[in-house]
Amino acid sequence: NAGVMQNPRHLVRRRGQEARLRCSPMKGHSHVYWYRQLPEEGLKFMVYLQKENIIDESGMPKERFSAEFPKEGPSILRIQQVVRGDSAAYFCASSPTGMREKLFFGSGTQLSVL
Amino acid sequence: AQSVTQPDIHITVSEGASLELRCNYSYGATPYLFWYVQSPGQGLQLLLKYFSGDTLVQGIKGFEAEFKRSQSSFNLRKPSVHWSDAAEYFCAVGAGYSGAGSYQLTFGKGTKLSVIP
Repeated sequence: NAGVMQNPRHLVRRRGQEARLRCSPMKGHSHVYWYRQLPEEGLKFMVYLQKENIIDESGMPKERFSAEFPKEGPSILRIQQVVRGDSAAYFCASSPTGMREKLFFGSGTQLSVL
Repeated sequence: AQSVTQPDIHITVSEGASLELRCNYSYGATPYLFWYVQSPGQGLQLLLKYFSGDTLVQGIKGFEAEFKRSQSSFNLRKPSVHWSDAAEYFCAVGAGYSGAGSYQLTFGKGTKLSVIP
């Protein structure tokens, strides 16, 4: 049973480019969470999605960031016009029930903005 | 708003020695509390969690943690550390209820554990 798969593992972008981060949840999981880890910081909640629905996006920056979890395919975190401050590790977690005590985390995508 | 403090950024212990990682939280009611471990290049793995009941909880890999409401603490312990325990450890707090606004966990900044052979 494969775990939560995130790709790419490393992503390098120049300022102003777009970054797309993908997350395939564990089989049977329909709840996805995105967290961001800045250097020297703990993980910060960004968004919680169920299939085709955004449930809680209170942690998402108001501009340039968006997330989706379509009926088919992985969840996508999209960052438009990246800036150096977006450099961070982005973690995806999934759960079968939407209850935070059963979160399974992926290995993360390290985004570096030049 | 909830918050988590892990006062120790980096701890070094000898293999076989005991370990205690500190975690203090701020939350208005009874929280859900978690300890996660992150090995280099890996995602977070849940070690243990506390929701209610017995304040001493057992987790995987020989870890345990004790919830002390009076001290707002949830310290992680292990009686004898193995070299494979070297990793970063995160304490997290979640809302002690289900429903709107309860979906997110708040993490501390982590404690990096180094183990001397």
